[in-house]
Amino acid sequence: DTGVSQNPRHKITKRGQNVTFRCDPISEHNRLYWYRQTLGQGPEFLTYFQNEAQLEKSRLLSDRFSAERPKGSFSTLEIQRTEQGDSAMYLCASSSRPAGGGNEQFFGPGTRLTVL
Amino acid sequence: DQQVKQNSPSLSVQEGRISILNCDYTNSMFDYFLWYKKYPAEGPTFLISISSIKDKNEDGRFTVFLNKSAKHLSLHIVPSQPGDSAVYFCAAMNQGGKLIFGQGTELSVKP
Repeated sequence: DTGVSQNPRHKITKRGQNVTFRCDPISEHNRLYWYRQTLGQGPEFLTYFQNEAQLEKSRLLSDRFSAERPKGSFSTLEIQRTEQGDSAMYLCASSSRPAGGGNEQFFGPGTRLTVL
Repeated sequence: DQQVKQNSPSLSVQEGRISILNCDYTNSMFDYFLWYKKYPAEGPTFLISISSIKDKNEDGRFTVFLNKSAKHLSLHIVPSQPGDSAVYFCAAMNQGGKLIFGQGTELSVKP
């Protein structure tokens, strides 16, 4: 088990372009989370999946953002028509147990997005 | 509104001494709390957690204390080591399982 992996690690794009990030969770973890972190702030929740079902989306997730988790394995986060305000670190985390205790989330290294 | 707050953006401690990082929360429905450590250009690394039914949890040099009446938790690191220098985030878990993070405290442990 190699932990949570994310690709790419860095992405530089021009405003208006679409970008897609990938997250591979720890195997057999049924919950997968996406967070966004900007400079000087803690990570902010974006969305999460239990298996292939997307159960919650934050108000931060505008209609330009879409996430999928086909077959309950890896997940992708797509941002359409990127804006400079989308520049941030995008973090993925996974966990194996329901909420209520013992539900530590394990994070990947993140994808650093820079929108020029 | 900021439901989880870490009011000290930075803390400097001498090697071998105790580091105390503080965190306050506003929502009494939070039932699980976690501390994460983060190095630059890496994702947060889980350190220690505590359920709301406990008031203390210890793991090696790390101890987390929870005061539910004050809605306050703290992380104690004893003894502090230079390798502990990083940004520390406290996080609270809501009923749905998502984490709500504080802004972080940058700890610097000086040799």
